[in-house]
Amino acid sequence: GAGVSQSPSNKVTEKGKDVELRCDPISGHTALYWYRQSLGQGLEFLIYFQGNSAPDKSGLPSDRFSAERTGGSVSTLTIQRTQQEDSAVYLCASSMGLAGVLSTDTQYFGPGTRLTVL
Amino acid sequence: RKEVEQDPGPFNVPEGATVAFNCTYSNSASQSFFWYRQDCRKEPKLLMSVYSSGNEDGRFTAQLNRASQYISLLIRDSKLSDSATYLCVSNTGGFKTIFGAGTRLFVKA
Repeated sequence: GAGVSQSPSNKVTEKGKDVELRCDPISGHTALYWYRQSLGQGLEFLIYFQGNSAPDKSGLPSDRFSAERTGGSVSTLTIQRTQQEDSAVYLCASSMGLAGVLSTDTQYFGPGTRLTVL
Repeated sequence: RKEVEQDPGPFNVPEGATVAFNCTYSNSASQSFFWYRQDCRKEPKLLMSVYSSGNEDGRFTAQLNRASQYISLLIRDSKLSDSATYLCVSNTGGFKTIFGAGTRLFVKA
């Protein structure tokens, strides 16, 4: 079946511009995660959705970052007034999201969006 | 101190060698542990979950030591295709998943 897809695969933007990154999770997965990976670094957790709700937004680096999920499916991560330090690969993952076993849920990752802010 | 710490490597080993990675975690409340594999410029993929009793999947063995708060991954009979970055992951319950920065492995012919 189809895996997690993300678009665009690459995005080059100028400092100060806004960008929108999209994630299509695996059909039926209720949990969706956004991570950021800078060059040579591990994954930094940004935000998690259960359905359309984001119980914890504390991982978002600043108020320039926002995310939403509609219809329990597609999610959009928006970065306003991009800065050079926002350059990274933004990874989305989804999981079944079964209540009570979320901690053991396997997360399936999309290929990521490589963002470069000039 | 990072919540999940790994030796970044790189580990350079010949084909057929046995190699082991360790990972330490600082949050004693961590409940679940995983090893993910990430190839260069690719997304991470689950390699295996780590259970208290230890678990084995072919050439790969994962161990958890809760008393010392570390997780290990052993790869036997290394293949060229094992070359990748191995990410240690802990979950403190619910959605909170913490990834280590990864250990790079290069297997040489």
